[in-house]
Formats: sequence, C-alpha cells, structure tokens
Amino acid sequence: RKEVEQDPGPFNVPEGATVAFNCTYSNSASQSFFWYRQDCRKEPKLLMSVYSSGNEDGRFTAQLNRASQYISLLIRDSKLSDSATYLCVVNPPPGGSQGNLIFGKGTKLSVKP
Amino acid sequence: DTAVSQTPKYLVTQMGNDKSIKCEQNLGHDTMYWYKQDSKKFLKIMFSYNNKELIINETVPNRFSPKSPDKAHLNLHINSLELGDSAVYFCASSRRASDYNEQFFGPGTRLTVL
Repeated sequence: RKEVEQDPGPFNVPEGATVAFNCTYSNSASQSFFWYRQDCRKEPKLLMSVYSSGNEDGRFTAQLNRASQYISLLIRDSKLSDSATYLCVVNPPPGGSQGNLIFGKGTKLSVKP
Repeated sequence: DTAVSQTPKYLVTQMGNDKSIKCEQNLGHDTMYWYKQDSKKFLKIMFSYNNKELIINETVPNRFSPKSPDKAHLNLHINSLELGDSAVYFCASSRRASDYNEQFFGPGTRLTVL
C-alpha cells in the first residue's frame, strides 16, 4: 500500500458543483494531515490543515477518519479559480522524521464555465 | 515581498556537468527543505536543514549535496548530472520541523539535463 494514495482524476465539474476528494494513508500512527493546492507550473501552497473533529474554511471542508485512515476534502459551489491539483499531505509519527511531509500524487480538478 | 526565492528558475545543462540551485527565505524560519517533483508530478523530500544541521537525509544519490551558509539559505549542489535528474526542484521552509507548521515553498527550479 502506498504511503499516501489519492485518486488522480481529473475531475471535470461545472461551476457551482460540489466535488469531493478522498485520500488514504498507510501509517496509522501519522500525526497531522493537510491539503495543499498546486496550480499548473506553480509551487504547492497550504490550503488547510485537517483536524480530527473536521474543519471548515468557507467553501472548503476537510474531514479525517483515523479508524479508516482516510482524509477527505469537500469543495462546495466550485469556482473557475478552484481549478488546480489538490495534494493530500501526511506528517509521519513522532520518532521518525518530523516535518518530513509525505505528499500524495494529487487530484486534478478542472472547473468549467 | 518574496518569502522563499530560488535561482535560477530554469536550468538547462548537459549530462556530466555540475550545477547549483540557490534558495533563500526571509521569513526567519528555522527549517528549510529541498523537494524533487518528477515528470509524474510526484513530490518527494530530499533534504531538510534545521539551524544549519541536517536533520533529514532521504536516500538520494550522494551526487546531491545541500549546503547551508546560514539559517536563511539552503543551496543544492548537484555533481555529474544525469538524465534522470531532470525535474522541478522546490525549496521550502517552515518555522520549525514539527507537526503543524506550514511549509512555504519557493517557485521551483525546472532542471533539464540533455
């Protein structure tokens, strides 16, 4: 099983749609989780951290299910500007390499007019 | 104001050459990183430095050597370049190497080895 696994997509959705991305991770002792966004030919940027209780930031909602080792990102009311690749990111457990983020390969989203 | 900067942005060179990529951060962060993103877009960490000490050294070829003259800089030197080294190299920094610190990435250096 890969350390961090994502559906690569692409997800092609119309403006205003709701879209959900899923991610699974292999190390059950992983401590922290993030979603990064990467635009074409640009650097990754933090979108949001993912907390056990779930968290929301505007149109974006992140969920974590530790029992299933599963992370999700929900985008409501998609905008054209949401088109990007969304990277699921996991921080290994303590005792390993703190700060050594493990990136998934990303899920590509394309929002069409 | 550029937080994490890298030079050059593009680098085209011949196999066997030696090249360096420079990285600077003006965020006052303690930890800096180098990542490689290959043609399949897979982003993988190569090195990190914390207060001028190497704290992560992934299994990369020893042709790659990070050099940190001070806390704000982490340069990447590559000897005897190979075709497989072609990729985008990203520098990043964070306040410290711990759980929830956001990593800020530079714009990337696109290396092409001919």
